[in-house]
Amino acid sequence: GIQVEQSPPDLILQEGANSTLRCNFSDSVNNLQWFHQNPWGQLINLFYIPSGTKQNGRLSATTVATERYSLLYISSSQTTDSGVYFCAVGDTGTASKLTFGTGTRLQVTL
Amino acid sequence: NAGVTQTPKFRILKIGQSMTLQCTQDMNHNYMYWYRQDPGMGLKLIYYSVGAGITDKGEVPNGYNVSRSTTEDFPLRLELAAPSQTSVYFCASSYRTGVGETQYFGPGTRLLVL
Repeated sequence: GIQVEQSPPDLILQEGANSTLRCNFSDSVNNLQWFHQNPWGQLINLFYIPSGTKQNGRLSATTVATERYSLLYISSSQTTDSGVYFCAVGDTGTASKLTFGTGTRLQVTL
Repeated sequence: NAGVTQTPKFRILKIGQSMTLQCTQDMNHNYMYWYRQDPGMGLKLIYYSVGAGITDKGEVPNGYNVSRSTTEDFPLRLELAAPSQTSVYFCASSYRTGVGETQYFGPGTRLLVL
């Protein structure tokens, strides 16, 4: 099956700093999503981005499908950004069967 | 809208017991999914459904069963619980538009099998 690798595994930032999270995947995909899992365990969909670039406030994401990677940018980080960020990829097909990476754990400190 | 709701929030089972994890969504989504998340890991797909009456296996289906009799409900059944099924279980639902898809997750059910 498809392999998904995320880096770095852990990241500690001071509030206000910027960061880039990376997701590499081993095969062609037509479905790529980024999720944030907050410290209480709730999962929130951030982006659906199988290719191209999207922005939502302080977050943006870029996927280069031909080179099999995606980047999530967090600017001016806040303590509420803490948690685990997951990249998930798959083939839309008849349903979005996603394969998740192991995540990047982000801690934003004051 | 309540979104995706799951019950119970937490449960302890003895080895060999059975239970049903409930999942309900009120967004009229066709697609629904069950995932499990082991400590420090990403989510793995157990089963999914593309509509009422249609279900299929995901990556880790052994030891589980599902049914989908209505659009809203997608229960997950554990038969003969084993310690390896200790995990956090997430239900999700999704819809598709012309520009993509968004999966919405429930709050999770934490299961401990002793």
